[in-house]
Amino acid sequence: SQKIEQNSEALNIQEGKTATLTCNYTNYSPAYLQWYRQDPGRGPVFLLLIRENEKEKRKERLKVTFDTTLKQSLFHITASQPADSATYLCAPLNQAGTALIFGKGTTLSVSS
Amino acid sequence: DGGITQSPKYLFRKEGQNVTLSCEQNLNHDAMYWYRQDPGQGLRLIYYSQIVNDFQKGDIAEGYSVSREKKESFPLTVTSAQKNPTAFYLCASSSSGTGDTNTGELFFGEGSRLTVL
Repeated sequence: SQKIEQNSEALNIQEGKTATLTCNYTNYSPAYLQWYRQDPGRGPVFLLLIRENEKEKRKERLKVTFDTTLKQSLFHITASQPADSATYLCAPLNQAGTALIFGKGTTLSVSS
Repeated sequence: DGGITQSPKYLFRKEGQNVTLSCEQNLNHDAMYWYRQDPGQGLRLIYYSQIVNDFQKGDIAEGYSVSREKKESFPLTVTSAQKNPTAFYLCASSSSGTGDTNTGELFFGEGSRLTVL
């Protein structure tokens, strides 16, 4: 069955450092991969989409990579701030653009 | 303001009862989705609809039913057949496709938390 793993449930870093989150998938060949941010008790908010033919995508302090050989996506937040503290979810999409399942998420805590 | 509205925010149900969760969007999106989120687990797709009067099962459709009679509305009924219905339910919508100018972004509601007593 399709499986998505996000490297750790919790990641604690200091303000100003780069946070790196990992999303690995098995038994799946997604055409796209999305990343979302979720705050406690709220719905997720879209951050970035990367396509299978794109190696890297950037948006302000965010950078996403997509390695279809390793079946892995990395999500980086540079110059992290306490306001970046949240849970980050990855969602591989099939060819039709549907996310059947999201990863469990990694909860990032940035301390000042 | 454009957005997606779920109600109720909190709902308590006795075992054996059906309940219906409401989801309305005014974003003029074709596609709508229902996900379930359990503690320590990722979101799992229950049902989705790409167009009015049509919907497809997701990974965990058993014990749930939906309808899509209007573009703006996609209600979810949790039936008594759903063995473990206590969860956080999220409705989402998106415009169709993931072409060059479309990210397939899902717009989520604030969620409905269902507890079975």
